[in-house]
Amino acid sequence: SYVLTQPPSVSVAPGKTAKIACGGNNLGAKSVHWYQQKPGQAPVLVIYYDSARPSGIPERFSGSSSGNTATLTISSIEAGDEADYYCQVWDSNSDHMVFGGGTKLTVL
Amino acid sequence: QVQLVESGGGVVQPGGSLRLSCAASGFTYTRYGFHWVRQAPGKGLEWVAVIWFDGRDKYYVDSVKGRFTISRDNTKNTVSLQMNSLRADDTAIYYCARRDPGSGAADSWGQGTLVTVSS
Repeated sequence: SYVLTQPPSVSVAPGKTAKIACGGNNLGAKSVHWYQQKPGQAPVLVIYYDSARPSGIPERFSGSSSGNTATLTISSIEAGDEADYYCQVWDSNSDHMVFGGGTKLTVL
Repeated sequence: QVQLVESGGGVVQPGGSLRLSCAASGFTYTRYGFHWVRQAPGKGLEWVAVIWFDGRDKYYVDSVKGRFTISRDNTKNTVSLQMNSLRADDTAIYYCARRDPGSGAADSWGQGTLVTVSS
């Protein structure tokens, strides 16, 4: 089955830029989506189709994907960005939705 | 506005059954598929099942195949997850999420319902 790999944690100072990686075999050939989940809350879609932003998501959130890696970039980090972030794809070989293990973003 | 409201969670003994429901409102329900995604305590997100907009295609994670059944009622704008032969490792918050027909992303989520399997 298809596997997505994320770093368990990323730390960044306020005002700086955070980059969260998501790795998978030939990931650039798939559509990657990203979700933000704050403690005690449901996930929220923040990036879809690798780099598109849903309405209401700040421009500080951006995404890219190429080769075996997709990246979620959050610029001008704020305390409110502290959350778990998950990448996700649809694996058409198995007809399964696949999530990465999640990355905990800590704002220092 | 888009709303997804889950219900039906609770405490059940191993081997028991539970039926979760997800009530959808604020959008054209019949245009969308729906996922169930779960999250065990302190763990990451795990996809459970999906039903296509027309109800003809349904897919499941291997660990629930043969035990869980996803369905939809287009007269009531609800999606259900029938869970049988429940095990301790099914304990989780279960989220209903709408599947965007274009991107396939889960673009709206309910607040979840907690299922606890324990004797």
